Parts: sequence; C-alpha cells; structure tokens
Amino acid sequence: QIQLVQSGPELKKPGESVKISCKASGYTFTDYAMNWVKQAPGNGLKWMGWINTQTGKPTYADDFKQRFVFSLETSASTAYLQINNLNIEDTATYFCTRNNHGVMDAWGQGASVTVSS
Amino acid sequence: DVVMTQTPVSLPVSLGGQASISCRSSQSLVHSNGNTYLHWYLQKPGQSPQLLIYRVSNRFSGVPDRFSGSGSGTDFTLKISRVEPEDLGDYYCLQSTHFPLTFGSGTKLEIK
Repeated sequence: QIQLVQSGPELKKPGESVKISCKASGYTFTDYAMNWVKQAPGNGLKWMGWINTQTGKPTYADDFKQRFVFSLETSASTAYLQINNLNIEDTATYFCTRNNHGVMDAWGQGASVTVSS
Repeated sequence: DVVMTQTPVSLPVSLGGQASISCRSSQSLVHSNGNTYLHWYLQKPGQSPQLLIYRVSNRFSGVPDRFSGSGSGTDFTLKISRVEPEDLGDYYCLQSTHFPLTFGSGTKLEIK
C-alpha cells in the first residue's frame, strides 16, 4: 500500500536549521510530485509548495521562498524539507503529501518541529 | 491568491444526523482543461488529513457513501449523512486549480 513515512520530532533553537525526511513506498516515486504542507499549532493547513520528482525542480509558495529548500534522494524514494535560520513562527507540523494530478491523495504522518530558546 | 471561505467554523451534530459544510472560492475553480480541482479532507484528532472527495464529487477509495460532494464554479458543499463517531474532526476544502494551492480555514464537526 502507498505510504509516506516522515522523520521524527525535532526541537531546535532559533537560528538553527532542520531537515525533515519523507520516505515513499508502495508506488513509483518519480511518477508523482511531492507537496509540503504546514500546520501551525491549533491552526489550519497551508501549502508550502511542491517538488517535481522527475526533474528535482521545486516550486515554492511566496511565504516559503526565502529559508525553505525542497530536495530529493530519488534512489531512496525520499523527499526532504530543509528550513534554515529557524524562528519561533516555524514551530509547526509539516506534512509531505503525494500530488496525484492536483489531488493530495496520500499524506505522511507529519513531522513536528518546535523552535524554542 | 484564491481565498477559500469555509462555513461554518463549528458544526454540532447529533449522531445519526446530517451535516453540511460550505466552501466558497473567490474565483472560479474551473480549470482551462475543464476540470474543477476542489477536494475535501478530514483530519481526525491527532492524525494527518485524509482525502474524502476529489474533484468536487468523486469519493476516494474506501470512503463511505454517506459522504457526498457537490457544487460548481465558486460554490461547493460537502454533505455527511447518518453521522457516526468516526466522522468527528476537522474538515478542510482545498483548491488546486490555481497557484498557489489554498485550503479553507476548516470546520470542526462535533457532537451536539
């Protein structure tokens, strides 16, 4: 079955970086783009962008163009989200989701990032 | 950006009853290819969101027929009939017709 398994919770200080992984299984990784979605505590869902898993080309929503990097390790069917120069507002759960012709049809379990001094 | 206005914010329902959630977009969600990319998700407490309905009215695999989606253009509705305890949680609409993709602000379905 299709699975997206994300890395575990992270506790970071302001100014540090974090790299979250999302390992896909049950389908051909390069057949579908991968989205990233942010959910701040008690808040709704915000689309961060996606990465073309065939070309590696990322597309970022405007709020996520400065410190956020999407990348791939195709041989391991894994997508990554790196956040640099963390601040308190980055405290959130981050989801990877499979993009099936515009439909987010599979979601990872979420990766919690807490930024605190 | 396309603004997705989702109502109500909170929806108390009785078990066995019916619920209806509205999602209105600030511009038409009809894509140039003729498809309408409006989808519905349920996020149960402590879980990641799960797809219920895609492209307005198509039930995703394994979703009970108690869930139905309808609408067109800018006005969409999710209906849940015979509400069960497992249906409780936060419901979100999502549009993927226009960049950037945008979600509604959510509707919390809770027991009356």
